[in-house]
Amino acid sequence: DVKVTQSSRYLVKRTGEKVFLECVQDMDHENMFWYRQDPGLGLRLIYFSYDVKMKEKGDIPEGYSVSREKKERFSLILESASTNQTSMYLCAAQGISNQPQHFGDGTRLSIL
Amino acid sequence: GNSVTQMEGPVTLSEEAFLTINCTYTATGYPSLFWYVQYPGEGLQLLLKATKADDKGSNKGFEATYRKETTSFHLEKGSVQVSDSAVYFCALSNFGNEKLTFGTGTRLTIIP
Repeated sequence: DVKVTQSSRYLVKRTGEKVFLECVQDMDHENMFWYRQDPGLGLRLIYFSYDVKMKEKGDIPEGYSVSREKKERFSLILESASTNQTSMYLCAAQGISNQPQHFGDGTRLSIL
Repeated sequence: GNSVTQMEGPVTLSEEAFLTINCTYTATGYPSLFWYVQYPGEGLQLLLKATKADDKGSNKGFEATYRKETTSFHLEKGSVQVSDSAVYFCALSNFGNEKLTFGTGTRLTIIP
């Protein structure tokens, strides 16, 4: 079965810190995604990657960057964390376009 | 651009009641449509999908029919259980496009 693993379920960081969220998939899927989930706003796409070292901005990329050095791993980086980045972050992987995305369990990030 | 509109929640029903969660969409071309479910403390799981007009997706007693004439994909279940309590997201993607567009989610609570 498909498995997407996010490294932390809960994370607490301080304003101004550089924060790394890690995601690993075991399906050899080409496409990977980072979303944030906020009440009343649903899921919003931050970045996605369609191949190693390839990335594309989503709807809300400001304040974030990503890294995909290996096919199975997609990292989200908060360059200088701010309180408005407190949220639930979800990673997903997808085999080919127009097919379902498979999600990890999420990382609940609090920035103090 | 694409958009998905879901009925506002939260929705509270008694066990064995009939469930409908409305979903309408705006998209170019012929999108694929999905329902995802998020149980407490978990990521999103694909519940069902439909890829062309008049297709009916079904899983775990839930059904949704792709209605192109009304641009709708309403989720239904004949008899809900307490274990169906979750947040439900309607989503779409266009053919050849990796990205999903999500609705804001509908929180469903089933009381015994």
